[in-house]
Amino acid sequence: QQQVKQSPQSLIVQKGGISIINCAYENTAFDYFPWYQQFPGKGPALLIAIRPDVSEKKEGRFTISFNKSAKQFSLHIMDSQPGDSATYFCAASILSNFGNEKLTFGTGTRLTIIP
Amino acid sequence: NAGVTQTPKFRVLKTGQSMTLLCAQDMNHEYMYWYRQDPGMGLRLIHYSVGEGTTAKGEVPDGYNVSRLKKQNFLLGLESAAPSQTSVYFCASSYFSGSSYNEQFFGPGTRLTVL
Repeated sequence: QQQVKQSPQSLIVQKGGISIINCAYENTAFDYFPWYQQFPGKGPALLIAIRPDVSEKKEGRFTISFNKSAKQFSLHIMDSQPGDSATYFCAASILSNFGNEKLTFGTGTRLTIIP
Repeated sequence: NAGVTQTPKFRVLKTGQSMTLLCAQDMNHEYMYWYRQDPGMGLRLIHYSVGEGTTAKGEVPDGYNVSRLKKQNFLLGLESAAPSQTSVYFCASSYFSGSSYNEQFFGPGTRLTVL
């Protein structure tokens, strides 16, 4: 049962172009929607996160767009660079009874930026 | 600060053997997590801990046990390894911030192969 669906599985974008990765969720109890970036041989690292009461969040070249009614959110990478080549995971977070956030991850998108 | 470290980096087991994966963090975080990452599946939560001596099951806990005897360490045990447990295992830790997303910090991973 995949609570967070992510697409596409892989994406090739030319340098300078816009990379777009989409995610959809089902559980309306999720309270944060983070994106993690993972380079080969490394652990994931937080890129950017958004709350469901915000429609857009921008940090540098990275933007999350959030559509609460459609239960969808997406990551946009502007002016994509070869250094952005990595696997990107969307996730949804829910507060547990213990006070910590539990993450449910999407299946990942392997992004390749070509010159 | 080393952040989150994992030992070992690689391991090959035979079916039925047991082993323990060690995670250590030097950030004084309350919460610690174990995930497994499989191709096309994203990261799935195995077990997590909300403090010394307190653990809870995640999404895929069967076949694994955990212990947190010290705040900085979180151990993942496989009592009788099976080929289905071949995966890359990631440990993560987080702190309680109250007013913002509680970022999870990931270790570099342990690649386990069960023959």
